[in-house]
Amino acid sequence: EAGVTQFPSHSVIEKGQTVTLRCDPISGHDNLYWYRRVMGKEIKFLLHFVKESKQDESGMPNNRFLAERTGGTYSTLKVQPAELEDSGVYFCASSVRYNTDTQYFGPGTRLTVL
Amino acid sequence: LAKTTQPISMDSYEGQEVNITCSHNNIATNDYITWYQQFPSQGPRFIIQGYKTKVTNEVASLFIPADRKSSTLSLPRVSLSDTAVYYCLVGDGMDSNYQLIWGAGTKLIIKP
Repeated sequence: EAGVTQFPSHSVIEKGQTVTLRCDPISGHDNLYWYRRVMGKEIKFLLHFVKESKQDESGMPNNRFLAERTGGTYSTLKVQPAELEDSGVYFCASSVRYNTDTQYFGPGTRLTVL
Repeated sequence: LAKTTQPISMDSYEGQEVNITCSHNNIATNDYITWYQQFPSQGPRFIIQGYKTKVTNEVASLFIPADRKSSTLSLPRVSLSDTAVYYCLVGDGMDSNYQLIWGAGTKLIIKP
């Protein structure tokens, strides 16, 4: 069974540019989560999808961040325009159920904004 | 809203037993308590979960008291490769108010 995959693994952009991160969850996992880890800080929740619906986006830092999950399969997280403080590692995870059952994490996308 | 508290960091030496405690009040009554391990540049990965009392697997043990207001992850005979950040994860609320609450993480450094 394929795990959670993320693309790209690393992105370097300049301030003001746009970047789109992609996450492919494990097949059959209705729940998909986005997290961010800023250097030296703990992992922070961004948002949670159940299929194509946003269940909780309370962790999204501001309206420069837009997440979508068309068709309830893969998800994208777009940052537009990117700011320096957006640098960090963005993780995606998926799970069968929304509870403390196992979330399977992807390898992350390291975003560097110059 | 449930709140979790973990030590920010801990140091230990190879071969020692390490215990990391996460305090969590007001968690969902019918949910597991789960712990994750994260190495640098990787996503967190599941280590162990339990509901109450003690759970043991090939990697760790998890101790949960009857009141479920805390949980202690126990790593027996740690090695340098156990250096990582350890997170607890609990649930809070019910039904439409249910939320997952992550601990802030404990950075464990194992020394030779």
